[in-house]
Amino acid sequence: ETGVTQSPTHLIKTRGQQVTLRCSSQSGHNTVSWYQQALGQGPQFIFQYYREEENGRGNFPPRFSGLQFPNYSSELNVNALELDDSALYLCASTGTIGTDTQYFGPGTRLTVL
Amino acid sequence: AQRVTQPEKLLSVFKGAPVELKCNYSYSGSPELFWYVQYSRQRLQLLLRHISRESIKGFTADLNKGETSFHLKKPFAQEEDSAMYYCALKAAGNQFYFGTGTSLTVIP
Repeated sequence: ETGVTQSPTHLIKTRGQQVTLRCSSQSGHNTVSWYQQALGQGPQFIFQYYREEENGRGNFPPRFSGLQFPNYSSELNVNALELDDSALYLCASTGTIGTDTQYFGPGTRLTVL
Repeated sequence: AQRVTQPEKLLSVFKGAPVELKCNYSYSGSPELFWYVQYSRQRLQLLLRHISRESIKGFTADLNKGETSFHLKKPFAQEEDSAMYYCALKAAGNQFYFGTGTSLTVIP
């Protein structure tokens, strides 16, 4: 059984650019959630995907979008980057919808200059 | 609106002393509460959930709906308990709301 992996580990972008972050779910997991964790804060829910469909969304603007693929890997895309988007981005996979044990990845540290 | 509050950013206790990490929540529905832990240089992981009424690594947490609290307790702290602890609420739509976390240091 493999764990949740994320790439890249670190990323530096400039304001206005676009970024794609990737997550590979734990083997057999079909649900993935993405979180933004600013410095000194707890993770904030961005959205969740279940079987390639968005299944819930937090209070984030439309420039935050996602994809989930048939192999259950997923992407988080952020357009028109702003300085406040600098944060640690976490993904978490869950065995099946409705269960609550989330397995977190190590995160991607995004810095926007 | 749903909210999770952890009033203590930092908490230090001596080894062998009791420890209590506070968590209060605000939610109009039937709450599901969790504690997550992040040890140094490790990823965030589930510690326990209220619905299981379990004790993990000596930690317990009781959901008190009257006080809207879910405090995490351990009678005798160990050095290996030093970590960042997050309280989380699962709301409708499978959304999780996390508190800002409490950094626990157990002093030898």
